[in-house]
Amino acid sequence: QKEVEQNSGPLSVPEGAIASLNCTYSDRGSQSFFWYRQYSGKSPELIMSIYSNGDKEDGRFTAQLNKASQYVSLLIRDSQPSDSATYLCAVNSQKVTFGTGTKLQVIP
Amino acid sequence: DVKVTQSSRYLVKRTGEKVFLECVQDMDHENMFWYRQDPGLGLRLIYFSYDVKMKEKGDIPEGYSVSREKKERFSLILESASTNQTSMYLCASSLFPAGIVDSANEKLFFGSGTQLSVL
Repeated sequence: QKEVEQNSGPLSVPEGAIASLNCTYSDRGSQSFFWYRQYSGKSPELIMSIYSNGDKEDGRFTAQLNKASQYVSLLIRDSQPSDSATYLCAVNSQKVTFGTGTKLQVIP
Repeated sequence: DVKVTQSSRYLVKRTGEKVFLECVQDMDHENMFWYRQDPGLGLRLIYFSYDVKMKEKGDIPEGYSVSREKKERFSLILESASTNQTSMYLCASSLFPAGIVDSANEKLFFGSGTQLSVL
C-alpha cells in the first residue's frame, strides 16, 4: 500500500465550478498534512496546511481533514483557468511523503 | 523570500560518471532534502539532513550519497550514474525541527530543479 494515495486524474472542471481533490494516507501517526500546487515545468509551492480534524479555509481554498478515515481533501471554489496544475498531497510523519499528484484542468 | 538555488537546470551525463548536484539555501534553514520526481511516481525522498554533517536515508537512497559540510549547502552525489537515474531532481529546505510539528516551520521551499539525463 502506498503511503499517500491520490487519483492521478486529469480532473476536468468548468470555470467557476468547485474542484474537489482527494488524498488518503496509511500512517495513523501522521500529524501534518499539506497541499502543494505544481505548475507544469515549475517546482511545487505550498498552498494549504492542516493539522486538526475539520475544515480550514483560505480564500477560495478549503482543506478538509478526517483522521479517523485517514482522508484529506482540497476544495477549490470558483475554479479559474489559472488553477490548472498538478496538486500534490503531502503527509508528515517524521518525514514528508508526497502523493503522486492529481492533475486539474479548468476549462474556460 | 527564501531562495533555494540548484546549480544546473539541465545536465547530461554518461553511464558510470560520478555526478554532483548542488543545492544552496539562503535562509539559514536547518533542514534540507533531496527528492526525485518521475511521471506516475511523484516526488520520492532520496536523502535529508537536519544538521551540518548529518544525513538520513529517505525512501530511495540506493545509488546516491549526500554531503552537508556547511549549513547552507546540501549536495547529492551519484557515485556511478545509471540510466534509471534519469529524472528531475528537486532540492528543498525548511525550518522544520525533527519531530516537532509547527505550522510556520514545516513549509518546504523548493529549488527550480535539475533535469538529469544519463545516456
